[in-house]
Amino acid sequence: AQSVSQHNHHVILSEAASLELGCNYSYGGTVNLFWYVQYPGQHLQLLLKYFSGDPLVKGIKGFEAEFIKSKFSFNLRKPSVQWSDTAEYFCAVTGRRALTFGSGTRLQVQP
Amino acid sequence: GAGVSQSPRYKVTKRGQDVALRCDPISGHVSLYWYRQALGQGPEFLTYFNYEAQQDKSGLPNDRFSAERPEGSISTLTIQRTEQRDSAMYRCASSFDTGSRTGELFFGEGSRLTVL
Repeated sequence: AQSVSQHNHHVILSEAASLELGCNYSYGGTVNLFWYVQYPGQHLQLLLKYFSGDPLVKGIKGFEAEFIKSKFSFNLRKPSVQWSDTAEYFCAVTGRRALTFGSGTRLQVQP
Repeated sequence: GAGVSQSPRYKVTKRGQDVALRCDPISGHVSLYWYRQALGQGPEFLTYFNYEAQQDKSGLPNDRFSAERPEGSISTLTIQRTEQRDSAMYRCASSFDTGSRTGELFFGEGSRLTVL
């Protein structure tokens, strides 16, 4: 069965700090990996995705994620966060089944 | 429509009542998904459709939960004899892709169900 683990439940950063959110998945076959974001009062939306090719993928708003197959990881990074990045971030995976989400990380960026 | 539309946005019901949650996907999207999200958790898969055919209902927690999409567009998630543990945000998503492996889902605002 496919599953996703997000290590950080709540992260508080100051503006301009660097961000890295951990994500590990469990599935033995080929996977597609995603990060979704939910800004306050809004619906879930796709931040970035990995299907194949370059394991370093870039998404919207300066976010990037690196797929490390040997570690079953897909960590999300951003060099310098902004107050507007305050949101909840969900890592997700598809293997044989429909999209499976992690429990989410709430990011709070203080001005 | 321009986005995925869900109704009602908020539903408060008494234990034992039946509820129906509606989802209108993006026009032309083939696949439709239902997820449930409890407070502090990620969305949990319930079921999905390609056109009108229910492809996977393995996430439905028990036989009180059912879903249909009779004409391949609007879908209804029905919960019979609601219980307090059914309280959650119910999220619908659609995709132009037919495969279960797709992850490029477009989500609606969700329907928040509270069972008293």
